Amino acid sequence: DGGITQSPKYLFRKEGQNVTLSCEQNLNHDAMYWYRQDPGQGLRLIYYSQIVNDFQKGDIAEGYSVSREKKESFPLTVTSAQKNPTAFYLCASMRGQTNTGELFFGEGSRLTVL
Amino acid sequence: GEDVEQSLFLSVREGDSSVINCTYTDSSSTYLYWYKQEPGAGLQLLTYIFSNMDMKQDQRLTVLLNKKDKHLSLRIADTQTGDSAIYFCAESTPGGSYIPTFGRGTSLIVHP
Repeated sequence: DGGITQSPKYLFRKEGQNVTLSCEQNLNHDAMYWYRQDPGQGLRLIYYSQIVNDFQKGDIAEGYSVSREKKESFPLTVTSAQKNPTAFYLCASMRGQTNTGELFFGEGSRLTVL
Repeated sequence: GEDVEQSLFLSVREGDSSVINCTYTDSSSTYLYWYKQEPGAGLQLLTYIFSNMDMKQDQRLTVLLNKKDKHLSLRIADTQTGDSAIYFCAESTPGGSYIPTFGRGTSLIVHP
């Protein structure tokens, strides 16, 4: 079945370490997105990519980096520069020729900094 | 301030109707969405409505849009314990590449 796979589901890291969250989709969608979710705060956009080899900063890009070398993959690196990285991270994709703007989400990755 | 606002909590008894409300500020919003998030999972689109519509019904779900007041509501009839989740209101415009702006989410708690 088509869908978005995020891994790992749970991740622990020590302060000062970089960590990379994986996001893979087999929906043949052009656009991919990373959101951060904190309790009671809704979803905040970190980065998005509408085409391979191109990406744009969202509202809270500082301390994060991404790459989009393949259509199917959009990994997110949480760097040591991110001051408060403990959160639930959600990856999403959208069809290129959409007429509804529906986002398809993965199951999320929960990052805890010890 | 927030572009999309919704209350944080709603508690209802099983079998009653639930009404979750949302207000938005962007008058050019073309699409308005309701997403559902179950615990520890991603979001799933429940339903959406175009801004030129007043109402949309889909089985137990009714979406009402008051464009003048920029108010969106989601009514769930005969609410079940399985409806317990966080419900997110969102809006987008084609001019904004369809990237939706989300509200903070309303936690719906259904009591037996």
